[in-house]
Amino acid sequence: QSVLTQPPSVSGAPGQRVTISCTGSSSNIGAGYDLHWYQQLPGTAPKLLIYAHSNRPSGVPDRFSGSKSGTSASLAISGLQAEDEADYYCQSYDSSLSGWVFGGGTKLTVL
Amino acid sequence: QVQLQQSGPGLVKPSQTLSLTCAISGDSVSSNSATWNWIRQSPSRGLEWLGRTYYRSKWYNGYAVSVKSRITINPDTSKNEFSLQLNSVTPEDTAVYYCARGRDGYYADWGQGTLVTVSS
Repeated sequence: QSVLTQPPSVSGAPGQRVTISCTGSSSNIGAGYDLHWYQQLPGTAPKLLIYAHSNRPSGVPDRFSGSKSGTSASLAISGLQAEDEADYYCQSYDSSLSGWVFGGGTKLTVL
Repeated sequence: QVQLQQSGPGLVKPSQTLSLTCAISGDSVSSNSATWNWIRQSPSRGLEWLGRTYYRSKWYNGYAVSVKSRITINPDTSKNEFSLQLNSVTPEDTAVYYCARGRDGYYADWGQGTLVTVSS
């Protein structure tokens, strides 16, 4: 049972927009700790996609965007492409555990 | 550009010690702005942060509650690398282990991952 809750799977057709939610609590996202997103392709290490809720590292397309509201956060992917098919994870700090935590991951399928 | 290169055995016997090393290029383990982390991933536990070491005028460590009694992360400034030791392993510790550089609570740079299987 992950501290940060994500839907197990989402799907969308090429060109569409999908969102992935990450629900936390008052000891992580709700406490004001930054929320980050990663993309993981099969057999590779996670890749930083969004940091501090809504910031994109250099090289990440602006099709990817992040937002936060209360104890939840969302990752939006617009103009879906086949290469976006991957697992996506959110991550933050949790004060009750005194450590960094990840969501359970969401598998994105491009139809 | 920071690169992290992991090394270590892929098979460890139950009750023994898991040892991995992460060699750093493009940054220093003594950096005053980075942290050096170990994270593992398994189907049953997902992505799990294990611990970190970092230098801020002196060395600090922090460990996840779940492994705190069994884990040690050490820097080696002479080799610019850091290591993970996890004692008394069980099959539950079977996972892909990653080293990662932390900045402001996120991980922009990761090692290639090492699958460690705990089995006799």
